[in-house]
Amino acid sequence: EAGVAQSPRYKIIEKRQSVAFWCNPISGHATLYWYQQILGQGPKLLIQFQNNGVVDDSQLPKDRFSAERLKGVDSTLKIQPAKLEDSAVYLCASSTETGGFYEQYFGPGTRLTVT
Amino acid sequence: AQSVSQHNHHVILSEAASLELGCNYSYGGTVNLFWYVQYPGQHLQLLLKYFSGDPLVKGIKGFEAEFIKSKFSFNLRKPSVQWSDTAEYFCAVKSNYQLIWGAGTKLIIKP
Repeated sequence: EAGVAQSPRYKIIEKRQSVAFWCNPISGHATLYWYQQILGQGPKLLIQFQNNGVVDDSQLPKDRFSAERLKGVDSTLKIQPAKLEDSAVYLCASSTETGGFYEQYFGPGTRLTVT
Repeated sequence: AQSVSQHNHHVILSEAASLELGCNYSYGGTVNLFWYVQYPGQHLQLLLKYFSGDPLVKGIKGFEAEFIKSKFSFNLRKPSVQWSDTAEYFCAVKSNYQLIWGAGTKLIIKP
C-alpha cells in the first residue's frame, strides 16, 4: 500500500513569510496527525484529526498556525507569519483509529528552515 | 502531565555488542508503550509496542523491550547489534489520545 505522502520535502523561507505543508494519509486511515520535531527533540503533536474533525489541537500555536482536513482525506498545515523558532521537521502521520490499539504511520516529513 | 525520558542521547557500540536503551515515563496506571525507529533517510516506523499481558515484548529485527511497572520503565534491548541497526530510536507512551515522545537516542554501530 502507498505510504503517507508529504510535500514539499524541504522549504526555506524568511521570517514573517508564510508557508504551507501538504499531507496525504494512507487510504482509509481516519486519523491524521501533524507533529513538529525540533532538532534534538522528539516529535510534538500539533494537531490531531479524526476524519475532518479536530480531536486535539491543544499544542497548536493558533495565533500563527492553522490546519485543515477538508473531506477527511488530505490535510494542509499553514504557518503565517513564520518565526525563527519554527525551524523544524514537520511530520504527518496517519492511523486507522484514534483510541485504543493503533499504530501511526509516518511520512518523510518537511524540513523547514526559517532565516 | 505524562512525560518520557530517554537517558542516553548518543550511544556508540561495536558490532556484536549487546544493546540496552533506557526509557522511563512519569506516572503509572494503565500505559501503552511504544518504541519507534528512524533509519538514516527513512521514515519513523514502529519497532514494537506493549499494551497488556507479557511484559517482555518482541519486535522486528531481533529487538525486545521489557515493561517494568514498578520502575516506570520500558527499556529496549538487543543481544547482538549489527551495523544496520544504526538509527535513531524513540520511546513513546500513549496519554489520552496522543503519544508523548522521548527525545530519542542516536545509535551508531561501528563495523
